[in-house]
Amino acid sequence: GESVGLHLPTLSVQEGDNSIINCAYSNSASDYFIWYKQESGKGPQFIIDIRSNMDKRQGQRVTVLLNKTVKHLSLQIAATQPGDSAVYFCAENHGTASKLTFGTGTRLQVTL
Amino acid sequence: NAGVTQTPKFQVLKTGQSMTLQCAQDMNHEYMSWYRQDPGMGLRLIHYSVGAGITDQGEVPNGYNVSRSTTEDFPLRLLSAAPSQTSVYFCASRDGQLKLFFGSGTQLSVL
Repeated sequence: GESVGLHLPTLSVQEGDNSIINCAYSNSASDYFIWYKQESGKGPQFIIDIRSNMDKRQGQRVTVLLNKTVKHLSLQIAATQPGDSAVYFCAENHGTASKLTFGTGTRLQVTL
Repeated sequence: NAGVTQTPKFQVLKTGQSMTLQCAQDMNHEYMSWYRQDPGMGLRLIHYSVGAGITDQGEVPNGYNVSRSTTEDFPLRLLSAAPSQTSVYFCASRDGQLKLFFGSGTQLSVL
């Protein structure tokens, strides 16, 4: 899950296994959610998004699950590869504000 | 199609100096924004613009100015740099689906 401390939570996964990265969001009025991937020294890169009228959305090797009851978002990566090693951020959009609020991130480490 | 281009990539300033971080996008996006990224804090919105001639404050606007004279450019100005502004700065533009496209960042150190 996400952290408000100075150290990012780290998820270590063996190559080929599935990864699940969790995110708790704060605003029940948020209607749009995005996952970003940030590799070292680079800007965040869009992975997948989901609107609040959906519970699940699938992309290529990635799935996002949204549980509005408990305000929880998760990113599942199938068959994790070394190239998936990065920091992953979730972001929520607060309705009419149209401003994304980002979580603090989770570091994914893929071990061989 | 270059996307979002930021310059410079690295900058060192002394306290009190001024500088402008440049940002340009070639995707014809109306919405552009600046974020700063600090360890353990995630990305925090500094200023944003919904179109040429329109700017507004984000979560952490103090010490920064912006202007938007064209759709393509959205520079961020530090008028009098302070050590608290040491950070990595990201410019982003947004498409009609709320998807943000980020530049590669500017690493700024204020001594």
